[in-house]
Amino acid sequence: DVKVTQSSRYLVKRTGEKVFLECVQDMDHENMFWYRQDPGLGLRLIYFSYDVKMKEKGDIPEGYSVSREKKERFSLILESASTNQTSMYLCASRYLAGGYNEQFFGPGTRLTVL
Amino acid sequence: QKEVEQDPGPLSVPEGAIVSLNCTYSNSAFQYFMWYRQYSRKGPELLMYTYSSGNKEDGRFTAQVDKSSKYISLFIRDSQPSDSATYLCAMSERNTGFQKLVFGTGTRLLVSP
Repeated sequence: DVKVTQSSRYLVKRTGEKVFLECVQDMDHENMFWYRQDPGLGLRLIYFSYDVKMKEKGDIPEGYSVSREKKERFSLILESASTNQTSMYLCASRYLAGGYNEQFFGPGTRLTVL
Repeated sequence: QKEVEQDPGPLSVPEGAIVSLNCTYSNSAFQYFMWYRQYSRKGPELLMYTYSSGNKEDGRFTAQVDKSSKYISLFIRDSQPSDSATYLCAMSERNTGFQKLVFGTGTRLLVSP
């Protein structure tokens, strides 16, 4: 079974703090994604990565950056957290040659910025 | 207008009912359609995957795509309390290379015993 893990289930940070969200997948998937999920807005793509050291902006990259130094790990960084970044953050990975566009999701990190 | 529209619910049904969940979309280039199920405090997991128009059945679940109407449905027969979750539709134009998935906002389903 594909397993995508995220470093924290719940996180509380203060405005202005630098926040790191870590995601690890164990199936050698090339593509990895970061989404945020908000009521009424659904899943919105923040950043994605084709492969190691490659990254592309998604639909809402402002206020975020990412790092992918190893294939299995994709980090989301909030340089200076703000209250409007309070959300559920979901990481996903995808096997490029699988024939499907299926993305496998982690359990999510619920981030609260005070 | 959102690219994918989905009624947020909640949809409340008694155990054993037939459930119909729906999404409409505006992009006629979408060809790959998925339904994800998300339990509370968990990430979404793929439930059904269909290509182009037609029906696909898997146990109590049937996915239906009507590309002419830009409308997809998920039917759940003999619904169970364990089916209580949020159901998200997702779709894409291709399945090769990078292809962004576009998600609906999700419909929350509550099945009461």
